[in-house]
Amino acid sequence: GEQVEQRPPHLSVREGDSAIIICTYTDSATAYFSWYKQEAGAGLQLLMSVLSNVDRKEEQGLTVLLNKKDKRLSLNLTAAHPGDSAVYFCAVAYNTNTGKLTFGDGTVLTVKP
Amino acid sequence: DPKIIQKPKYLVAVTGSEKILICEQYLGHNAMYWYRQSAKKPLEFMFSYSYQKLMDNQTASSRFQPQSSKKNHLDLQITALKPDDSATYFCASSQRGNNQAPLFGEGTRLSVL
Repeated sequence: GEQVEQRPPHLSVREGDSAIIICTYTDSATAYFSWYKQEAGAGLQLLMSVLSNVDRKEEQGLTVLLNKKDKRLSLNLTAAHPGDSAVYFCAVAYNTNTGKLTFGDGTVLTVKP
Repeated sequence: DPKIIQKPKYLVAVTGSEKILICEQYLGHNAMYWYRQSAKKPLEFMFSYSYQKLMDNQTASSRFQPQSSKKNHLDLQITALKPDDSATYFCASSQRGNNQAPLFGEGTRLSVL
């Protein structure tokens, strides 16, 4: 079935350090992958989306890597700052006809000054 | 200005009652979705609609009924409310067929007493 595992569930880093979040998925029939950020009491903010045929994408201090062989997706926040503290979710789109996303369980990121 | 409007932001209901959660999007998207976020299941797909037609339904209970009066509206009617229905309900939208990740509203936080 369509499953997504995300780790770690909690991550604490110092300001200026990198934070890496990893998701693994089970089904190879994927269309695209997305990362979302959720601040306390707020909705989900789309950070970045990559198609299944893209191995790497960088935008504004964020790097997404896709390893299709290992079915692994990662998000790297370089030089994290306290404003990056939030819950991060990966999401996998298996079926673009229905638009359904399968989400990981989330990573609570804390960036300490 | 928010482009996906969900109303109300907070909702308290008694067990057995019925509520309607409102969602309107002004992004010109042709597909809309409902997701649920609770402590038990972080982000769970419920429905997807495109051009006011149901594309996918992953909700087991018929107590949850989407209603689309216009292309940019997708309300969610919940009947016979139970305490287990307490969650944050997110509406999202995207342009179907473009491998485009959905954008989310701010959510409606429902508490069933």
